[in-house]
Amino acid sequence: DGGITQSPKYLFRKEGQNVTLSCEQNLNHDAMYWYRQDPGQGLRLIYYSQIVNDFQKGDIAEGYSVSREKKESFPLTVTSAQKNPTAFYLCASSIAGALDTQYFGPGTRLTVL
Amino acid sequence: GENVEQHPSTLSVQEGDSAVIKCTYSDSASNYFPWYKQELGKRPQLIIDIRSNVGEKKDQRIAVTLNKTAKHFSLHITETQPEDSAVYFCAAPFSGNTPLVFGKGTRLSVIA
Repeated sequence: DGGITQSPKYLFRKEGQNVTLSCEQNLNHDAMYWYRQDPGQGLRLIYYSQIVNDFQKGDIAEGYSVSREKKESFPLTVTSAQKNPTAFYLCASSIAGALDTQYFGPGTRLTVL
Repeated sequence: GENVEQHPSTLSVQEGDSAVIKCTYSDSASNYFPWYKQELGKRPQLIIDIRSNVGEKKDQRIAVTLNKTAKHFSLHITETQPEDSAVYFCAAPFSGNTPLVFGKGTRLSVIA
């Protein structure tokens, strides 16, 4: 899991602003995922991508957008349409899909001021 | 879609005792069941996983059992130590190769 990096570690946003969270991996994994973690809520899937230039919505995609232009990168944009964005965001990757071990990045804690 | 229920939500044990966390899932086609450990402020890390072709897997003090008929799987930690204190998550995919659905987590506290 040391091959997945997320930046920044902490991010503060004013209401009405879009922000982009970075996720990079050098594990040569095809699949990448974004999760949101709130206290007592476990991990909820926002978006996932199983191949470059393709991605699918997860359970809570509203107010978020992603791109997958490169195999190594899967940035997440939190838009102003996300009503309650304060949370811990985790990126993960796996070799090909859900039946392979997922490795997580260190996370980004987003706080809306 | 897949629904994963995890119990208990919190668990306190004395050092040296065993801890058991149980998860149930709804999709009978699910065939991969990982367990993750997350320490405070850190990333989740895989500690053990099991596939549907076996009923039990063990790695030192950690074991996972799977009952496909009843659609539940359990994490067993023996001889608990303070460093086992963390939040543990179970997960299962829905219908094959779709992304994992995670349980809501169990906060384990090992009391010295």
